[in-house]
Amino acid sequence: EDQVTQSPEALRLQEGESSSLNCSYTVSGLRGLFWYRQDPGKGPEFLFTLYSAGEEKEKERLKATLTKKESFLHITAPKPEDSATYLCAVFKAAGNKLTFGGGTRVLVKP
Amino acid sequence: DTEVTQTPKHLVMGMTNKKSLKCEQHMGHRAMYWYKQKAKKPPELMFVYSYEKLSINESVPSRFSPECPNSSLLNLHLHALQPEDSALYLCASSKQWTSGGDSEQYFGPGTRLTVT
Repeated sequence: EDQVTQSPEALRLQEGESSSLNCSYTVSGLRGLFWYRQDPGKGPEFLFTLYSAGEEKEKERLKATLTKKESFLHITAPKPEDSATYLCAVFKAAGNKLTFGGGTRVLVKP
Repeated sequence: DTEVTQTPKHLVMGMTNKKSLKCEQHMGHRAMYWYKQKAKKPPELMFVYSYEKLSINESVPSRFSPECPNSSLLNLHLHALQPEDSALYLCASSKQWTSGGDSEQYFGPGTRLTVT
């Protein structure tokens, strides 16, 4: 059965304290892995797409990497405005659907 | 521009009411989606439209009725909802309903629905 699991569920960081979020997946026929950021009561905001193992993408303080079994979202020197829920989702050929992980709620304290 | 707009932002309706949610995008995307999201849970797919044709219905109850009048517009008609249908309803669009670079989905801000 296809599964997408994110860990930890919640993460409290001090401003400037770098950390990583994990997204592990067991999906056959993976065609892409997406990272989104979601603020409370708002729609998910697209961050990155990763297609193949070894791929990396960066945007400001965020860097996403992909292996054959998992993806990491590294937050470098986070600021309070990085507080949000980060969602990963996998897209597979069969069914052409996004399957979301449960999300990681990140709180960055000043 | 990667904007998907949704109206209304908030909606309160009784169980006997009929209402509609509206979604619009002007990015030339040919795939549009409805998702339902409960608090502290990830979005759950409800419907997929590709080239204005319904391609996926995730066994959604018939009290939810989607409509895609044209390639830019997506509606969700609501009738006889239950309190457990209260949630954030999200619309999304992508260039194509397929794998690869055209599958990146862009979400709207959502409609917060409360059923009383």
